[in-house]
Amino acid sequence: EPEVTQTPSHQVTQMGQEVILRCVPISNHLYFYWYRQILGQKVEFLVSFYNNEISEKSEIFDDQFSVERPDGSNFTLKIRSTKLEDSAMYFCASGERSPLHFGNGTRLTVT
Amino acid sequence: GENVEQHPSTLSVQEGDSAVIKCTYSDSASNYFPWYKQELGKGPQLIIDIRSNVGEKKDQRIAVTLNKTAKHFSLHITETQPEDSAVYFCAASKGSGGSNYKLTFGKGTLLTVNP
Repeated sequence: EPEVTQTPSHQVTQMGQEVILRCVPISNHLYFYWYRQILGQKVEFLVSFYNNEISEKSEIFDDQFSVERPDGSNFTLKIRSTKLEDSAMYFCASGERSPLHFGNGTRLTVT
Repeated sequence: GENVEQHPSTLSVQEGDSAVIKCTYSDSASNYFPWYKQELGKGPQLIIDIRSNVGEKKDQRIAVTLNKTAKHFSLHITETQPEDSAVYFCAASKGSGGSNYKLTFGKGTLLTVNP
């Protein structure tokens, strides 16, 4: 069964550094999403992406965040200058005329 | 915006018993309600979903009920097995097409099935 893959599984970075989280969505899906889960809290919507542009974003998704689909297969989330409170699990998801499929996540630790 | 409340936060049952997890939502325009199972170190996996034009849906040992008037929906797992142990999330969304998948999640229920 096709699946959403995310790399790396764990990323440790220092405060103020830039990080790029990578995702390969399911190939025939057209809608892509990033969600975030801070330890012990609920999964939160960050951004949705369709037709090479952001279709919706949450209040969390400020100017420090950006998304890109650079080559037609990868979907990336960039955090420009990481803060301690950015430490969380970041989940990529994709969907079409089907339920949303999530990847296994990238655990981001900001020290 | 939408707010989803989920109860209980933890649930412990004996193998073979039933488990029920309940969620309420605030936005009457929400029309899609999936349930996800999250095992340790993995992403949420869809186990069942229901749309607002249906009151109940069943898939083997798992069922979901929806009460639109009261704005609540529930997950029922019968004949629980140890492998059902995981965190379960309810979610709600509205709209169509891509925006249908902007999910608002509940806080999750840690289900433990004791052998």
